[in-house]
Amino acid sequence: DSGVTQTPKHLITATGQRVTLRCSPRSGDLSVYWYQQSLDQGLQFLIQYYNGEERAKGNILERFSAQQFPDLHSELNLSSLELGDSALYFCASSVDGGDNQPQHFGDGTRLSIL
Amino acid sequence: AQSVAQPEDQVNVAEGNPLTVKCTYSVSGNPYLFWYVQYPNRGLQFLLKYITGDNLVKGSYGFEAEFNKSQTSFHLKKPSALVSDSALYFCVLTGAGGYQKVTFGIGTKLQVIP
Repeated sequence: DSGVTQTPKHLITATGQRVTLRCSPRSGDLSVYWYQQSLDQGLQFLIQYYNGEERAKGNILERFSAQQFPDLHSELNLSSLELGDSALYFCASSVDGGDNQPQHFGDGTRLSIL
Repeated sequence: AQSVAQPEDQVNVAEGNPLTVKCTYSVSGNPYLFWYVQYPNRGLQFLLKYITGDNLVKGSYGFEAEFNKSQTSFHLKKPSALVSDSALYFCVLTGAGGYQKVTFGIGTKLQVIP
């Protein structure tokens, strides 16, 4: 058990809709990362937060947004959903967000767009 | 731009034999390199990392990796494979800064045959 909790585990919705994915980091970790895993694109880094502030941005679409709250949990918001957004979305956390730190991954949220 | 290559989509090895999963990287500056393992329907689990120092790094579950700067490689190895080692292995590069922040290889599926 990594200590990182993601909810929900599965989400099924329709094109054009909006969803929110939630992540609770491992106790004591200040940094949260979001990733998208799909068969055609592999694992893509989306965004990183550290102690409530955005630290780095990767291949995140403008339709997607995220935030980290004062209690350090994080939410990833996906809007105007398209079929191509169907993927496994992972959250990971690390102690201080340093590049030399290992990340601890949740088990993901599987998003299916119908 | 930084990149990671895992040249083999799949590696098959007999139980008890040594295994190697290959990774090469491209980056300007000094890399931070990681190996993670992913079991079906689970998040990634950290195995080991190279930051600096000894080129041979030991990690979890008997795995080790050898950093070779001249060949820009970071191959994962284990002296004796177990059936339970069958999983998807990712080589990951961080620390090079810039847009990509965290770069994943495409993953190598390891199949250990009883």
